[in-house]
Amino acid sequence: AQKVTQAQTEISVVEKEDVTLDCVYETRDTTYYLFWYKQPPSGELVFLIRRNSFDEQNEISGRYSWNFQKSTSSFNFTITASQVVDSAVYFCALTNSGAGSYQLTFGKGTKLSVIP
Amino acid sequence: DTGVSQDPRHKITKRGQNVTFRCDPISEHNRLYWYRQTLGQGPEFLTYFQNEAQLEKSRLLSDRFSAERPKGSFSTLEIQRTEQGDSAMYLCASSHLITEQETQYFGPGTRLLVL
Repeated sequence: AQKVTQAQTEISVVEKEDVTLDCVYETRDTTYYLFWYKQPPSGELVFLIRRNSFDEQNEISGRYSWNFQKSTSSFNFTITASQVVDSAVYFCALTNSGAGSYQLTFGKGTKLSVIP
Repeated sequence: DTGVSQDPRHKITKRGQNVTFRCDPISEHNRLYWYRQTLGQGPEFLTYFQNEAQLEKSRLLSDRFSAERPKGSFSTLEIQRTEQGDSAMYLCASSHLITEQETQYFGPGTRLLVL
C-alpha cells in the first residue's frame, strides 16, 4: 500500500517569510515518482514538480525549491520570500507505478495562507 | 495549447437523479484519469483509460459509477441514482503515454452537490 502524509494541515506566514511544507511517503516500489501540486481557491490542480526515485538532487525553480531525501522518505517543498499569490492548498503525491497505471496517491494537503 | 477541460463546472441535482460529467483531455494525451475530491481531502483515484480501453476500474466507488471513453478522446463519468454522499469535486486528468506518462495535468473539476 502507498501512503502520503502531510502533517501540516494549515500554515500561516507573513508575506516575504520563507515557508517549508513537509511531505513523508510510504511505498514498497523501488521505482516511483513524487509530485507537488498547487490548488488555488479556483479549484484546479496545478502541476509544480515531478521527481523520480533515482534522482535525489534538490531542485530550485525561482522562489520554489524541493528537498528529496530517500533515506527519510521525505520530499519537502520550500517557498522563499512568500507572496500573497502563493496562498493555496498544496498537495504532495506519489505514483503507483508498479501496476503501470501511474495512478496518484495524494496526501491530505497543506493550506498555506500568506498574509500581506 | 489548451489544457484539460471539464463540463459542467457545477452541478446541483436531487437525490436519486442520474448525472453525467464530461472531460476533454489535452490533445494527443493517451491516458485519462478520473479522481474524486471531498472537502479537506486530497483527490482519490477512481479509474483510468489508455486510449479507449478502461484499464483500471476497481476503485470506482460503487456500481452506480461508470465511465466511458468511446473514441479514445473525451470521456464521460456517470453517477446513477445519486446520493448525498456523492457530493464532491470530480477531477479529470490526462497524460501522454510516451513522452510524459507519469505527469498528470488536471482540469478545473466538476463540483457536484446532491440535495
